[in-house]
Amino acid sequence: DIQMTQSPSTLSVSVGDRVTITCRASHSISSWLAWYQQKPGKAPKLLIYKASSLESGVPSRFSGSGSGTEFTLTISSLQPDDFATYYCQQYNSYSTFGQGTKVEIK
Amino acid sequence: EVQLVQSGAEVKKPGESLKISCKGSGYSFTSYWIGWVRQMPGKGLEWMGIIYPGDSDTRYSPSFRGQVTISADKSISTAYLQWSSLKASDTAMYYCARSHSGTFDIWGQGTMVTVSS
Repeated sequence: DIQMTQSPSTLSVSVGDRVTITCRASHSISSWLAWYQQKPGKAPKLLIYKASSLESGVPSRFSGSGSGTEFTLTISSLQPDDFATYYCQQYNSYSTFGQGTKVEIK
Repeated sequence: EVQLVQSGAEVKKPGESLKISCKGSGYSFTSYWIGWVRQMPGKGLEWMGIIYPGDSDTRYSPSFRGQVTISADKSISTAYLQWSSLKASDTAMYYCARSHSGTFDIWGQGTMVTVSS
């Protein structure tokens, strides 16, 4: 099994802040990594696929980078609608999600 | 509009069986894998398994193999997740999602399953 570890678990930030979330894989997954946003009571929403490709309709303030075992999701300037929980997902070997990072209001 | 519509919430007793559904529309149902994801109360997402409705090829996470059964009926564009004997620990929200090259691009609204005596 490939394990995915996200950090931090919680991030307290303000509107306008630059936000960076890290995801580490226990084995190399090349660029087979996606990022999702989930709001309370809602299904997750795909933001980024193949580590750095932006899903259609997703604002350009979201970006992804990395390959191998270390990946990053960056929100360049946090907006009120961005307070949510973010998950990474590897899909190199079957699939596994990270444990999530909650972005909350400072 | 491309969408997945899941069956409604269920309340069951331990030991009972259950089959929940996920109906796809607005796209070629047989051309994309459908996956199931568990989210226990207050917890993260867990990948359970996927099925290709075109030929019913099915893959399970090692954590869920033998615990659930994933199936599909392509004639009615519907995928299923079923349990033969529920446990209290199966209490969770279950999502189906369309798999596009490994990622989940379209999600159902979720089905809440509560197992309690």
